[in-house]
Amino acid sequence: DGGITQSPKYLFRKEGQNVTLSCEQNLNHDAMYWYRQDPGQGLRLIYYSQIVNDFQKGDIAEGYSVSREKKESFPLTVTSAQKNPTAFYLCASRINRTPAKPQHFGDGTRLSIL
Amino acid sequence: AQTVTQSQPEMSVQEAETVTLSCTYDTSESDYYLFWYKQPPSRQMILVIRQEAYKQQNATENRFSVNFQKAAKSFSLKISDSQLGDAAMYFCARFTYQGAQKLVFGQGTRLTINP
Repeated sequence: DGGITQSPKYLFRKEGQNVTLSCEQNLNHDAMYWYRQDPGQGLRLIYYSQIVNDFQKGDIAEGYSVSREKKESFPLTVTSAQKNPTAFYLCASRINRTPAKPQHFGDGTRLSIL
Repeated sequence: AQTVTQSQPEMSVQEAETVTLSCTYDTSESDYYLFWYKQPPSRQMILVIRQEAYKQQNATENRFSVNFQKAAKSFSLKISDSQLGDAAMYFCARFTYQGAQKLVFGQGTRLTINP
């Protein structure tokens, strides 16, 4: 079955450390997105990519970086510059140019500070 | 800013009764799409229902229906015959064509079902 796989499910970061969250999709979707969710809050957009080798900052990109070298993969790196990284991270994907089609979401990664 | 607002942080309803969750949004576009997503304790994001702004008819999916008021920029979700499995966070979202094609989410409403 097609879907989005996020790994790991839980991740712990030491201070000063960079960590990378994986997002892989086999839906042949063009666009991919990373969201951050804090307790009791909605989803805020970190980065998105509509085609391979291209990505744009979302609303809260500071302290994060991404790459889009393959259509299937959109990893997110939480850098040491992100001072409050503890949150739930969701990856999503969708087909471009079909606005009626909804975004598909992965199951998320919970990142905590050690 | 193009925002989506859910004014009810929490709602509760008795099992088998009906509940309505509110959502308003801001946009300068004439054509857009609106969605309701459900996030149960498992944290999965599940699409509940969607509405195309150019359609006057309100969308319906089994026990879930919307009241779409385009002029008022309002998009409420009605859940009929509430079930225990409906307990979740519910997010309203609008798909925007401006700049990037992306969803803008509201802050969410936590729905509790009382047995």
